[in-house]
Amino acid sequence: AQSVSQHNHHVILSEAASLELGCNYSYGGTVNLFWYVQYPGQHLQLLLKYFSGDPLVKGIKGFEAEFIKSKFSFNLRKPSVQWSDTAEYFCAVTGGNDYKLSFGAGTTVTVRA
Amino acid sequence: DSGVTQTPKHLITATGQRVTLRCSPRSGDLSVYWYQQSLDQGLQFLIQYYNGEERAKGNILERFSAQQFPDLHSELNLSSLELGDSALYFCASSAGHMNTEAFFGQGTRLTVV
Repeated sequence: AQSVSQHNHHVILSEAASLELGCNYSYGGTVNLFWYVQYPGQHLQLLLKYFSGDPLVKGIKGFEAEFIKSKFSFNLRKPSVQWSDTAEYFCAVTGGNDYKLSFGAGTTVTVRA
Repeated sequence: DSGVTQTPKHLITATGQRVTLRCSPRSGDLSVYWYQQSLDQGLQFLIQYYNGEERAKGNILERFSAQQFPDLHSELNLSSLELGDSALYFCASSAGHMNTEAFFGQGTRLTVV
């Protein structure tokens, strides 16, 4: 079974700063990778996904993520954050015969105006 | 709106009681997933159904059970409730049984008193 690690528990930054959230997974086979965002009081929404092809994936709201197979990583980035990006961010993975979507512990991002 | 509907939105009940949470997946989706989100445990996968059959099982307690009906809606039954069962319970649905993105409902907030 795969596991997902998110390096940062809580990130605090100012508007216009760049954001990078780390995500590593343990499964060595073919994986599908996702980043979800949960705004305060809301449900999880998909930011972006990687199934195959170009390892640099662009998602909604200016987010992108890079799949680096050799590092088992799928880090999320945004060049310039806004106050409205304050949320919790979850990395998730499915792979091989493991049907379930496994989530990391989440990273809380607080953007100060 | 993700298209996944969960009812009720809020539920307050006493210890020892039994409750049923309901989820209607997006139109056409065959997979339903249940997750528990709490402050101390994060987002925990409970169980997945695909077209009426159980496909994957996570950290689901024996006091909890679920099923997916022929019309593809799903119910999560929680019995002999304990204070520690207080959490947000999310349902998600996806088109396939694996390797496809999942869409989340708004969640049911369960408070056990």
